[in-house]
Parts: sequence; C-alpha cells; structure tokens
Amino acid sequence: AQKITQTQPGMFVQEKEAVTLDCTYDTSDPSYGLFWYKQPSSGEMIFLIYQGSYDQQNATEGRYSLNFQKARKSANLVISASQLGDSAMYFCAMREGRYSGGGADGLTFGKGTHLIIQP
Amino acid sequence: DTGVSQDPRHKITKRGQNVTFRCDPISEHNRLYWYRQTLGQGPEFLTYFQNEAQLEKSRLLSDRFSAERPKGSFSTLEIQRTEQGDSAMYLCASSELAGVPEQYFGPGTRLTVT
Repeated sequence: AQKITQTQPGMFVQEKEAVTLDCTYDTSDPSYGLFWYKQPSSGEMIFLIYQGSYDQQNATEGRYSLNFQKARKSANLVISASQLGDSAMYFCAMREGRYSGGGADGLTFGKGTHLIIQP
Repeated sequence: DTGVSQDPRHKITKRGQNVTFRCDPISEHNRLYWYRQTLGQGPEFLTYFQNEAQLEKSRLLSDRFSAERPKGSFSTLEIQRTEQGDSAMYLCASSELAGVPEQYFGPGTRLTVT
C-alpha cells in the first residue's frame, strides 16, 4: 500500500483563487510528521509547511495552511489567494517514528500534484 | 547561509563508468540525506548521516552505491558500474539535529547514463 497518496496528478486554478491539494497517508506509528514541498521547474525542493502528529492546531505559514484530519489520515495543503508563481509540482511527505522502523528520518514522498495557475 | 549546494549539477556518463557526486550541507546541520528522483515521481530516500555516521540505508541503495561523510561536513555519493536505470536526479538535503524537523534540499545532480 502507498504510504502517501496524492490523488490529483494535475490541477488548473484561476489566479487569486484558493487551492486545496489532497494528501492521505498510511501509518500505524503514533508519532509521525507530515511535510509539504514545492518543486518548481528549476527542480529544487522548497519546504512549505510541517505538521506533527501530536500538534493540536493546524499548521499555517503565510498563504499556506495544512488541513490536518488525523482520524481520516489526511493532510491537505491549502494555498490562499493563488499567484502565478505558485505554478509547480507539490509533494506531500511523511516521516515516521521508530515504531515502524522509520528511524532513518528519511521522508516518504507521494507522487505529487502538478499545479498550474492561470491568469 | 548559502543553502545546500551540490556538484556537479549535470553529469552524462557511459554505462559501466563510475561517477561521484558531492553535497555541501547548510553549515552546522548535523543531518544529511540523499534521495533519488526519477521523472514523474517523488524523491525516494537513499541514505542518511548524522555527523559522520551513516545511520540508515534504503534497500534502493544497491552494492554499487556508496556514500561517505568523512568529517561530518560535506558528503559524497559514488555509483560504480553505472547502469541506464541509474539515470535520475540525485538530491541532497540537510537538517538540524534537534528542533525544526524540515529538511532543506539542494538543487540536485542530474545523472544521465548513456
């Protein structure tokens, strides 16, 4: 089973609209972290936002917020007031704790969503 | 703080040759990671160092791959007897030992094996 599932291969959104990128995850570990990264066409992975499994509140960073629904195992990224520069690949990733043998701290990534912002 | 740097940015090699990539992490970052990304996929974890110790290796890291971080600063990833299937983007990331968990990525080295 996929540990990180991103069901939207591509999305087209009008500039200034809000965007929700879906991410569901699968783990039996009680301790884990969820990350979102942006990868523009230049190729560099840019960290956007982080949510820990024990965090009580949803994470926010500027125009980015993470809609964390623990019972549903979902961690959707919300981008408010989208801009042309938001066009990129977006990856959801998870770091599991040591209970599941994930002690490496290496991230497990989904396949990504290609977001295109249209003027 | 200049970020994570990688060298070279691009490498074209013939099948069977050995290649070596270098990664310089953000200064004072104790943890260093190597990932591989193929077209249309997310990055896949290869290996991880805490200071100079290699603490974990993925099953993706075959015997032809070796990574070092001799002084706990820069790291090298060597691929011996390259195969066409090794063609990919090789990404390096670094993070602090404690506190913020995010990993900061370098620009990557794109390897093409002909």
